[in-house]
Amino acid sequence: DAKTTQPPSMDCAEGRAANLPCNHSTISGNEYVYWYRQIHSQGPQYIIHGLKNNETNEMASLIITEDRKSSTLILPHATLRDTAVYYCIVVSNTGNQFYFGTGTSLTVIP
Amino acid sequence: GAVVSQHPSRVICKSGTSVKIECRSLDFQATTMFWYRQFPKQSLMLMATSNEGSKATYEQGVEKDKFLINHASLTLSTLTVTSAHPEDSSFYICSANPGQGRDGYTFGSGTRLTVV
Repeated sequence: DAKTTQPPSMDCAEGRAANLPCNHSTISGNEYVYWYRQIHSQGPQYIIHGLKNNETNEMASLIITEDRKSSTLILPHATLRDTAVYYCIVVSNTGNQFYFGTGTSLTVIP
Repeated sequence: GAVVSQHPSRVICKSGTSVKIECRSLDFQATTMFWYRQFPKQSLMLMATSNEGSKATYEQGVEKDKFLINHASLTLSTLTVTSAHPEDSSFYICSANPGQGRDGYTFGSGTRLTVV
């Protein structure tokens, strides 16, 4: 079962930072936080993942709270192509199954 | 990066027939692959875990005799929807883990199944 909760939808102005929150209050010590996004009728696309440290790559930044019970995905300069459903997923480093929650539908507005 | 290829991307079949969907890892070997189903405006639901050389593991509520999974090689898993009915119409997606040193689990582009 999904172990995360996310707001169902968010809007963001083009060019501004999009901050997508995720609650994973029951996360355990060996579980990673993964973020994926899905554009309509396509397979999910990997964005970023982390364990406890903040992470940054060419797509986004991931901020994980010190207690690891929540995280925020940051798209620094949102574009119209970032409009998608964003999924936050918790997965054990010893297991492989991804259980998707309901995700956040992000709409980037011109 | 790691690529998972799914075929076909779209298929329309008549009610009562069977449909096979292929999932291939193109540049890595995958002892385990995963099959998901997604209905319109809903999230992805894990159906089963496909294990190379052994039986698949199905999630609760998924009929193993209806959704046949074969993982005969380290780069290919197939999902066969048997005796398809209109309620089986959905978006089917597979994924695999390319292993250490690569980011994330890679997903295929999905197969849109329509049963008429």
